[in-house]
Amino acid sequence: AQKVTQAQTEISVVEKEDVTLDCVYETRDTTYYLFWYKQPPSGELVFLIRRNSFDEQNEISGRYSWNFQKSTSSFNFTITASQVVDSAVYFCALRSGGYQKVTFGTGTKLQVIP
Amino acid sequence: EPEVTQTPSHQVTQMGQEVILRCVPISNHLYFYWYRQILGQKVEFLVSFYNNEISEKSEIFDDQFSVERPDGSNFTLKIRSTKLEDSAMYFCASRAGQVTDTQYFGPGTRLTVL
Repeated sequence: AQKVTQAQTEISVVEKEDVTLDCVYETRDTTYYLFWYKQPPSGELVFLIRRNSFDEQNEISGRYSWNFQKSTSSFNFTITASQVVDSAVYFCALRSGGYQKVTFGTGTKLQVIP
Repeated sequence: EPEVTQTPSHQVTQMGQEVILRCVPISNHLYFYWYRQILGQKVEFLVSFYNNEISEKSEIFDDQFSVERPDGSNFTLKIRSTKLEDSAMYFCASRAGQVTDTQYFGPGTRLTVL
């Protein structure tokens, strides 16, 4: 079984503040893949990043960074110097090695206030 | 950049009617998926399709649902007799052949059942 928990339902920040979105996952598989997707108000799902279970290196892409920690089963997402265009629902997701399906968390709605 | 496309963007139907949602996956991808998202809720897996057959399905994907790849490019989801609770956004996704590959999602079809 696989499960993703995003405890933060909604977050509001003022533009230029940093914000971290939390994600905790559960799986019995030793091989798995973690994802973050962004869903802007227009509704589409935009892929942001994938991490493989065997690669714990953190990653930075512009204002986005991801902190993957197997010891705590967490895959947190930080936006630095947030902008209004970052306002969206962000989903953390998991695919375990033996499954085809991706299991999504319930999402965190981020509102960046100008 | 290649992308998954879906038609129509919005479909309105009467309860009990059949609907077919259409998707064109990325051309060299081998795995195809349907997910749905009831308004304000998380994205839920419906079915995966590989080598012209269903490889995995969720408990949501009951006998009212079927999938088909009729012509080598389109991938369809048919709902035989729609119910009010089928109203949702339906996302198609595709993945290339490697187990490490990411699922890329289409823009979604919003289905409204009246």
